[in-house]
Amino acid sequence: DIVVTQSPLSLPVTPGEPASISCRSSETLLHSSGYYTLDWYVQRPGQSPQLLMYLVSNRAAGVPDRFSGSGSGTEFTLKISRVEAEDVGVYYCVQALQTPPWTFGQGTRVEIK
Amino acid sequence: VQIVQSGSEVKRPGASVKVSCKASGYVFTNFAIHWVRQAPGQELEWMGWINTDNGYTRYSDTLQGRVAITRDTSATTVYMELSNLRSDDTAIYYCARATFSGTYHHLDNWGRGVQVTVSS
Repeated sequence: DIVVTQSPLSLPVTPGEPASISCRSSETLLHSSGYYTLDWYVQRPGQSPQLLMYLVSNRAAGVPDRFSGSGSGTEFTLKISRVEAEDVGVYYCVQALQTPPWTFGQGTRVEIK
Repeated sequence: VQIVQSGSEVKRPGASVKVSCKASGYVFTNFAIHWVRQAPGQELEWMGWINTDNGYTRYSDTLQGRVAITRDTSATTVYMELSNLRSDDTAIYYCARATFSGTYHHLDNWGRGVQVTVSS
């Protein structure tokens, strides 16, 4: 199975400041279609996970443009340009290339300082 | 789009649990349904998925033989049954609608989750 590793696991942030989460896969996530099959989900406190970003850099419906995704091969990054209080939660990357299984990262807990 | 899951369950070790996931607001058979669970304080764990059109299923190797996902297209409902329950099956069980293209799926609508507690 492809292993997905996130860092950091905890990220204290100051509102208005940028934040960045890294996701590394044990194998390239390049699909035969030419896309990298790496998605991001966020689980806000007390809520279900929700899709944030798909195929590396495509924002899901309703996701503000302060969120951006980038990367290729085995290295991917989720960035928040200016953190807001509502961005608190646990962020997960997941690989969707060699499935099953879909494998999630350990999660990165974003909290306000 | 609405994904509504059944209520919480408490089961004894060795028992089975069957939880439901009712979908509405879209063409049921155009999207797959996945199940993902989350043990207390732990990360998300993918369990399996079903093609709601033809009933095709795939499961996690770690749960193979204990998990079964089925669907009732007339009721636009998917069921997940987990058998031979153990204490480490205590978790919140989520179902999620999947948009897919070929083998690529992403989970674009999630239910609120069902708490399953396994305790003697």
